[in-house]
Amino acid sequence: DAGVIQSPRHEVTEMGQEVTLRCKPISGHNSLFWYRQTMMRGLELLIYFNNNVPIDDSGMPEDRFSAKMPNASFSTLKIQPSEPRDSAVYFCASTLGYQEFFGPGTRLTVL
Amino acid sequence: TQLLEQSPQFLSIQEGENLTVYCNSSSVFSSLQWYRQEPGEGPVLLVTVVTGGEVKKLKRLTFQFGDARKDSSLHITAAQPGDTGLYLCAGPQGAQKLVFGQGTRLTINP
Repeated sequence: DAGVIQSPRHEVTEMGQEVTLRCKPISGHNSLFWYRQTMMRGLELLIYFNNNVPIDDSGMPEDRFSAKMPNASFSTLKIQPSEPRDSAVYFCASTLGYQEFFGPGTRLTVL
Repeated sequence: TQLLEQSPQFLSIQEGENLTVYCNSSSVFSSLQWYRQEPGEGPVLLVTVVTGGEVKKLKRLTFQFGDARKDSSLHITAAQPGDTGLYLCAGPQGAQKLVFGQGTRLTINP
């Protein structure tokens, strides 16, 4: 099993541009989580899906952030327009019970 | 919202030394997990403790869950450079969510 796959691994963009992060969860896992990690705030949950349905998006910072999960094997997190304060490492995780399996993350830099 | 506080935030020691890091809360948790995150990677689960007073060992790592299930500790014996990383504790919040502590960033110097 390849584990959770995220792309791109690194993204550098300019303020105002649209950014799309992608995630492929582990096959058979029915829950998917998006996190953001910064030195200041640690690991923060943004949104999670259960059986492709968004369950809790209370961690999404503002309307510039949106996430979709069109099927069990793919999810996207979109930021439009991006701002420098969005710079962080974004992780996707899929779960089996309470054990979360994290992807390698996408390091986003917004200039 | 249940919070987990980890201490120390940073720890740098020499290879061969012993260390303990802590995860504390004012809330009771049904279980606590410990993850290790290496640079450029996502966190990886090390252990889950579920019973108050429980002690689990993973080679040189010893994990303990407090009797009241509000705190946990991780003790490393004879630390090695390969133990370097960010250690995160996490506890369930609600049906499926996990709440994470801020982490302890551990550096083992050769």
